Amino acid sequence: DVKVTQSSRYLVKRTGEKVFLECVQDMDHENMFWYRQDPGLGLRLIYFSYDVKMKEKGDIPEGYSVSREKKERFSLILESASTNQTSMYLCASRGVEGTREKLFFGSGTQLSVL
Amino acid sequence: RKEVEQDPGPFNVPEGATVAFNCTYSNSASQSFFWYRQDCRKEPKLLMSVYSSGNEDGRFTAQLNRASQYISLLIRDSKLSDSATYLCVVNRRAGTALIFGKGTTLSVSS
Repeated sequence: DVKVTQSSRYLVKRTGEKVFLECVQDMDHENMFWYRQDPGLGLRLIYFSYDVKMKEKGDIPEGYSVSREKKERFSLILESASTNQTSMYLCASRGVEGTREKLFFGSGTQLSVL
Repeated sequence: RKEVEQDPGPFNVPEGATVAFNCTYSNSASQSFFWYRQDCRKEPKLLMSVYSSGNEDGRFTAQLNRASQYISLLIRDSKLSDSATYLCVVNRRAGTALIFGKGTTLSVSS
């Protein structure tokens, strides 16, 4: 079974802190993604990476950066956390299961910025 | 026009009902189309891919109309366990990120 693991299920941080959200996948997938999900807004793409050290901005990259130094790990960084970054963060990798292309999601990190 | 647009619902139906969800997308270069299902407080999971010729998986039928840039999902004989949010997902162009609609909420009652 493909596994996408996010380091924390719940995280509480203070405004201005630097926050690292880690995501690791074990299936050698090239494409990895970070989304945030907010009530009424759905899943919105923050950043994605299509290979090691390759990254591309999604729809809402402001206030975030990413790092992909190794294929299995894709980190999301909040340089200076703000209250409007309180959200559910979902990491995913893209691969094939049987004949079906799909996104494999981690269980999410609920981040609260106080 | 939003990139991926869905009727948010909620759709409240009795068990055994047939229900249809619609989705429109704005980018004519999109090539991959999917329906995902998300249960409350869980991550999204792939329900089915959508192919040009239409496809069926048990009680679920997905259809694609490229000319109208429209995708549909039909659920027959609804079960209580079908209660969830259904997400329409489209890629911007080949090999790029998948963009999610906001989802349509389905509640099936006995």
